[in-house]
Amino acid sequence: DTGVSQNPRHKITKRGQNVTFRCDPISEHNRLYWYRQTLGQGPEFLTYFQNEAQLEKSRLLSDRFSAERPKGSFSTLEIQRTEQGDSAMYLCASSSGLAGLNEQFFGPGTRLTVL
Amino acid sequence: GESVGLHLPTLSVQEGDNSIINCAYSNSASDYFIWYKQESGKGPQFIIDIRSNMDKRQGQRVTVLLNKTVKHLSLQIAATQPGDSAVYFCAEIHGAYDKVIFGPGTSLSVIP
Repeated sequence: DTGVSQNPRHKITKRGQNVTFRCDPISEHNRLYWYRQTLGQGPEFLTYFQNEAQLEKSRLLSDRFSAERPKGSFSTLEIQRTEQGDSAMYLCASSSGLAGLNEQFFGPGTRLTVL
Repeated sequence: GESVGLHLPTLSVQEGDNSIINCAYSNSASDYFIWYKQESGKGPQFIIDIRSNMDKRQGQRVTVLLNKTVKHLSLQIAATQPGDSAVYFCAEIHGAYDKVIFGPGTSLSVIP
């Protein structure tokens, strides 16, 4: 399978704990995006990487959230001191970034439940 | 602020009928739009896109219409099939890094 993969698919944690999610984009895609989706809503943009550089962050990304893409390939999203309001689906997407090819390919998401 | 929204949260259609899903957007500067399909437990899947210099674009069984005058998008699905049951989002591509601004979604149910 050469699509975007995310791990884990589901995560249940207690309030106050830290969690980390991983995203493996499509090989050679230099653009990587993180989104958050709550039930019944469309995904909301969180942050964007071009290669290893984090170029844009949404105001939704509080200081408890940190994302990295150290080698310009896979990315991690960490949430520290989780709160119940962090419960959501976290989606990763990648695109080639080539001119005229804007399509973002989404992974299956990681569903986080904070108890 | 900018927003992309949908008129109908749910839509039920008979198998074989045509489906029309509508969407309103507020940012008149938007120049690129995408329709996504999201099935349960999966990420959004690209269906079709359209740029603001077009008013219609057709794909396989799908057509997107853009009316810039009233800032309205629609997605037409011909001969709707059970596999079309999903949530559909219209989305606007925004900014230098092509981030996607999604609307709240319309749930399409196909009645066999």
